[in-house]
Amino acid sequence: QVQLQQSGAELVKPGTSVKLSCKASGYTFTSNHMNWIKQTTGQGLEWIGIINPGSGGTSYNVKFKGKATLTVDKSSSTAFMQLSSLTPEDSAVYYCARVGRRVWMDAWGQGASVTVSS
Amino acid sequence: DIQMTQSPASLSASLEEIVTITCQASQDIGNWLAWYQQKPGKSPQLLIYDATSLADGVPSRFSGSRSGTQYSLKISRLQVEDIGSYYCQQAHSNPNTFGAGTKLELK
Repeated sequence: QVQLQQSGAELVKPGTSVKLSCKASGYTFTSNHMNWIKQTTGQGLEWIGIINPGSGGTSYNVKFKGKATLTVDKSSSTAFMQLSSLTPEDSAVYYCARVGRRVWMDAWGQGASVTVSS
Repeated sequence: DIQMTQSPASLSASLEEIVTITCQASQDIGNWLAWYQQKPGKSPQLLIYDATSLADGVPSRFSGSRSGTQYSLKISRLQVEDIGSYYCQQAHSNPNTFGAGTKLELK
């Protein structure tokens, strides 16, 4: 079955970067786009961006341009999101989510908690 | 950005009760709307897509409807496993945006 396995929780210092991973299994990785979503208690769910694993093409929410960088490694069926210049406002749970039927996110990773604190 | 105004923010209902959650889009989004369920401590799961289509494996007590720019999720007979939070999402325009969520609890 389709599975998205995300990397573990991160505790990082302000001003640094973090790279989250999302390993896909149970389907052909390059056949489905991958979204990344941020969830916080205050802001709810926010769409960060999407990547086409086949071409590497990306589209970002303007709010996250310069903050998030999406990449993939086709050889390991893994999607990555790097978050840079971290501030406490970047503390959140981050999900990867596969695009299944048309544009809809039909499989989600378990989430990765990022805490930015000195 | 398209704003999705979801209501109510929280809801307490009894087992077997009918539950309705609504989302109002700030502009026309056609049928580019989905509903997700998020159980405590878990990731969101797709319930409804294209405003009215049931996702694979979702019980038939869930249904979606549309009236203009207002969208509704209905649970026909609430079950204990339906407890959690529910979110609408529009995919008509970038950035995709979500409603603020509805927390559903048992009365």
